[in-house]
Amino acid sequence: QQQVKQSPQSLIVQKGGISIINCAYENTAFDYFPWYQQFPGKGPALLIAIRPDVSEKKEGRFTISFNKSAKQFSLHIMDSQPGDSATYFCAASLDNYGQNFVFGPGTRLSVLP
Amino acid sequence: DAGVIQSPRHEVTEMGQEVTLRCKLISGHNSLFWYRQTMMRGLELLIYFNNNVPIDDSGMPEDRFSAKMPNASFSTLKIQPSEPRDSAVYFCASSTGLVPDTQYFGPGTRLTVL
Repeated sequence: QQQVKQSPQSLIVQKGGISIINCAYENTAFDYFPWYQQFPGKGPALLIAIRPDVSEKKEGRFTISFNKSAKQFSLHIMDSQPGDSATYFCAASLDNYGQNFVFGPGTRLSVLP
Repeated sequence: DAGVIQSPRHEVTEMGQEVTLRCKLISGHNSLFWYRQTMMRGLELLIYFNNNVPIDDSGMPEDRFSAKMPNASFSTLKIQPSEPRDSAVYFCASSTGLVPDTQYFGPGTRLTVL
């Protein structure tokens, strides 16, 4: 119940296309859902996050869509750029501390020029 | 701000040796997390501290692993004795402890145990 499932494992998109990464969870106590971006040789960095009281959050080209009833959430990257090529992790945390994150296994995104 | 600082960045050691990884938190942060990242298992939380107190160490693989926070800004993760299966990238992250939280990751230590 503490797991977060993530798909696809890898994704190849042409420049200008839309990248979509999906995550699903079981534990309804999860109350905060961040996405992290990791470049090779670097630590993960927070990209965007959402709480379940909203169905969508947009920051620039990045959008999180959240479906509370289905216990699913997804990251959409519009107008994907080669610089977006990285590994993306979805995560979930319990709200009591908002600290103990469970990470998905990651999606390696490659955006072709 | 310099961000989370980890040292060393790379460590190569032989099986059976003691390994100590170090982490300096961002100033003002009061929560510290140690993660291990491998291709097979992804990003795993090993242990986290809040205000220098270990809150959850259920991810620590076995007694060979130990972590401490001797003060509010510094932490160590020790592996003794090390084994080849401990080879991974170890990250520490710090956060303010506020809700909702943002964890700031360090650059990681790549550990290779021969």
